[in-house]
Amino acid sequence: DVKVTQSSRYLVKRTGEKVFLECVQDMDHENMFWYRQDPGLGLRLIYFSYDVKMKEKGDIPEGYSVSREKKERFSLILESASTNQTSMYLCASSFPRVNYGYTFGSGTRLTVV
Amino acid sequence: KQEVTQIPAALSVPEGENLVLNCSFTDSAIYNLQWFRQDPGKGLTSLLLIQSSQREQTSGRLNASLDKSSGRSTLYIAASQPGDSATYLCAVLSGGSYIPTFGRGTSLIVHP
Repeated sequence: DVKVTQSSRYLVKRTGEKVFLECVQDMDHENMFWYRQDPGLGLRLIYFSYDVKMKEKGDIPEGYSVSREKKERFSLILESASTNQTSMYLCASSFPRVNYGYTFGSGTRLTVV
Repeated sequence: KQEVTQIPAALSVPEGENLVLNCSFTDSAIYNLQWFRQDPGKGLTSLLLIQSSQREQTSGRLNASLDKSSGRSTLYIAASQPGDSATYLCAVLSGGSYIPTFGRGTSLIVHP
């Protein structure tokens, strides 16, 4: 069964901490995405990557960075966590083909206190 | 810019009803449309993917249709069950991009 695995389901971090959210896919997908989801705001794209070491900013990249050193792994980094980054974070992956859909991970609920 | 709208935002029905969830999009030049299910506090699970050239897709009690000319897709759920309670989102891929545009979702409650 194909999978996108997010390393943590729940995280609680303190303001100012550096936070790493990890996402691993086993489908050999080129494209990987990080979204955050907040009530009333829907899904918002933070960053995406279409190849190893390649990244593009999404709609809300401020306060975040990403790393993709291997094809299967895409990391989201909060350089200095703030309370307004408390959210559900979702990772997704896909082939770069228009006849192919997206696979999501199970999500990480991050709380910054 | 593609815009995707899902109406209603919330729906509560008794068990056994046949349901129709709606997804509207503004730009009909789409590549595909994907329906997802999201349980509270969890990720998105893909239900059905309809290609631009297709009119519908079926999986079990679910049937999704696509009418590009009217900018609309519907997700039909037959004989609803309490286990169908979740938020249903649609995502449209269009515009030369590999980034889909998501609707805000329809929150469905099926009560016994």
